[in-house]
Amino acid sequence: EIQLVQSGGGLVQPGGSLKLSCAASGFTFSSYTMHWVRQAPGRGPEYVSAVTGGGDFTFYGNTVKGRFTVSRDNSKNTLYLQMDSLRIEDTAVYYCAREFPVVTGATDYYDNWGQGTLVTVSS
Amino acid sequence: EIVLTQSPGTLSLSPGERATLSCRASHSVSTTHLAWYQQRPGQAPRLLIYGVSSRAAGIPDRFSGSGSGTDFTLTISRLEPEDVAVYYCQQYGISAGLTLGGGTKVEI
Repeated sequence: EIQLVQSGGGLVQPGGSLKLSCAASGFTFSSYTMHWVRQAPGRGPEYVSAVTGGGDFTFYGNTVKGRFTVSRDNSKNTLYLQMDSLRIEDTAVYYCAREFPVVTGATDYYDNWGQGTLVTVSS
Repeated sequence: EIVLTQSPGTLSLSPGERATLSCRASHSVSTTHLAWYQQRPGQAPRLLIYGVSSRAAGIPDRFSGSGSGTDFTLTISRLEPEDVAVYYCQQYGISAGLTLGGGTKVEI
């Protein structure tokens, strides 16, 4: 059974940092591009970041570029999101998701999602 | 950039009724790269349909997808209480990033 189990998250002050983790099991983790997607209260999902299977390439949404860093440790089957210089507008539930590969170089559909973790940025 | 417009915004129906959800692309997409997700209250999104009409693993056959070009449809043939959710369409395989519609909320 494929599982994505998230940890991290919580309350942080504006300008602070937080690191999210996503532990994967049930599939060959290193073979898949993994994504972070967030959802602010009452809003639709928003693209945050992605990292290719080998960790060679990373992608970021415009609103987080330069502040967030995505990484992965394939020996631990774990995906990470380091979030720095957090802003109030970063408040959201953050999901990790596995991309099912269809088209090289583009975002494809997400066939498995983590349970989500809430990040609240507030003073 | 493709924009996906979903309608209606909210659909209120009774158990057993048929639900028809629309997803319209701003310009024609010459591929079958259209997916649908279900997001129940308080839960993560779940993949329902990929490739316009292929059901994901474990999805009941009351869910079906259809369409081509700019117009796509998700049909729930007989609504059940657990179908209360927001449904999103996604165009994929085009570029980096996430191209999602604004969602349709289904109420029972």
